[in-house]
Amino acid sequence: DTGVSQDPRHKITKRGQNVTFRCDPISEHNRLYWYRQTLGQGPEFLTYFQNEAQLEKSRLLSDRFSAERPKGSFSTLEIQRTEQGDSAMYLCASSKLAGAGGELFFGEGSRLTVL
Amino acid sequence: SQQGEEDPQALSIQEGENATMNCSYKTSINNLQWYRQNSGRGLVHLILIRSNEREKHSGRLRVTLDTSKKSSSLLITASRAADTASYFCATQPDTGNQFYFGTGTSLTVIP
Repeated sequence: DTGVSQDPRHKITKRGQNVTFRCDPISEHNRLYWYRQTLGQGPEFLTYFQNEAQLEKSRLLSDRFSAERPKGSFSTLEIQRTEQGDSAMYLCASSKLAGAGGELFFGEGSRLTVL
Repeated sequence: SQQGEEDPQALSIQEGENATMNCSYKTSINNLQWYRQNSGRGLVHLILIRSNEREKHSGRLRVTLDTSKKSSSLLITASRAADTASYFCATQPDTGNQFYFGTGTSLTVIP
């Protein structure tokens, strides 16, 4: 396993700009999750995919956020018209579909700073 | 919204002592997991306990689960300075496939 990789690791942007994060999960993992984490808090669920299907999206996620997993492999998370409140660590995790008990494997995260 | 809450929020102990962290959650679950996070890094899975299990061990880790009280505890025995990190519980509700994380316990082990 090469692990879950995320890119970029750090992104600084100005308010109003769009940003996109990429996540490459462990190759045989069917499920892919996006979380957001702010300082001193636990990860907050955003959305998850099973293969290419987006099965659940948090009600807390505004319309400025969109995620895709076009071929059931890598995923992208786009934030449009960024706001200062979007500053956070964006974490991606993957897991096998059943069998492994749902253990999540996390990437190192993409830290977003909105100026 | 976050599913669980850890207690205490912060814990500081001497190397060699045991550390106990507690997690309370709100709804029925399939399983509960504990994760560790070093500052600025991703989370690492430590141990999973299923809803029909009451206790589980893995090395220096011991996890208990009380579904009637909707609570779990993580015990780290013979702590080391390298155990310094934040620890989170995560629950998978029996109604879905997402995972909800608690607020975390920040553990500091003093050499």
